[in-house]
Amino acid sequence: AQSVTQLGSHVSVSEGALVLLRCNYSSSVPPYLFWYVQYPNQGLQLLLKYTTGATLVKGINGFEAEFKKSETSFHLTKPSAHMSDAAEYFCAVSPSGNTPLVFGKGTRLSVIA
Amino acid sequence: EADIYQTPRYLVIGTGKKITLECSQTMGHDKMYWYQQDPGMELHLIHYSYGVNSTEKGDLSSESTVSRIRTEHFPLTLESARPSHTSQYLCASSDPLDMKGYTFGSGTRLTVV
Repeated sequence: AQSVTQLGSHVSVSEGALVLLRCNYSSSVPPYLFWYVQYPNQGLQLLLKYTTGATLVKGINGFEAEFKKSETSFHLTKPSAHMSDAAEYFCAVSPSGNTPLVFGKGTRLSVIA
Repeated sequence: EADIYQTPRYLVIGTGKKITLECSQTMGHDKMYWYQQDPGMELHLIHYSYGVNSTEKGDLSSESTVSRIRTEHFPLTLESARPSHTSQYLCASSDPLDMKGYTFGSGTRLTVV
């Protein structure tokens, strides 16, 4: 069965500092990988995705993630945090197009002025 | 602009009542999903559908039922609400191969008193 582990339920960074949110997955086949962001009282919004091709994926709001097969990781980064980045972030994996996404437990990002 | 709509956004209801949470999408997606989100953020898949007249249960038994009579409509029904059903319910849809990820609705926050 596929699973997703997000290290750190809460990450706090200073405004302007590097953001690093960790995601590791287990999958028996090359997966599709996603990062979603959730703002208070809203649904989830797609940040970026990896399906095939280039392993460094750029998304919205300056975020990017790198698929590392050898490490089974898909960590999310942003060079400089902004106050508006404060939200919940979810990593998700789908082993194929025929099974629902499996989500990690989420990481709450706080940005300190 | 939202392509997937959930109503109501907020609902407070008494124990034992029957309720239906509505979800509609305008993208023509065959695949639709219901997730229950804990107060601590984790998402649990409760039902999904890959097309009209096709429904499956997810990992979480939530004592709810779904129907898929039309492609665009995927309502969730609780026959007898209990306080343990208090949660946020998120509806999502996706393209056939999930390559674009899921599109989520804004959610229904349910409180059972």
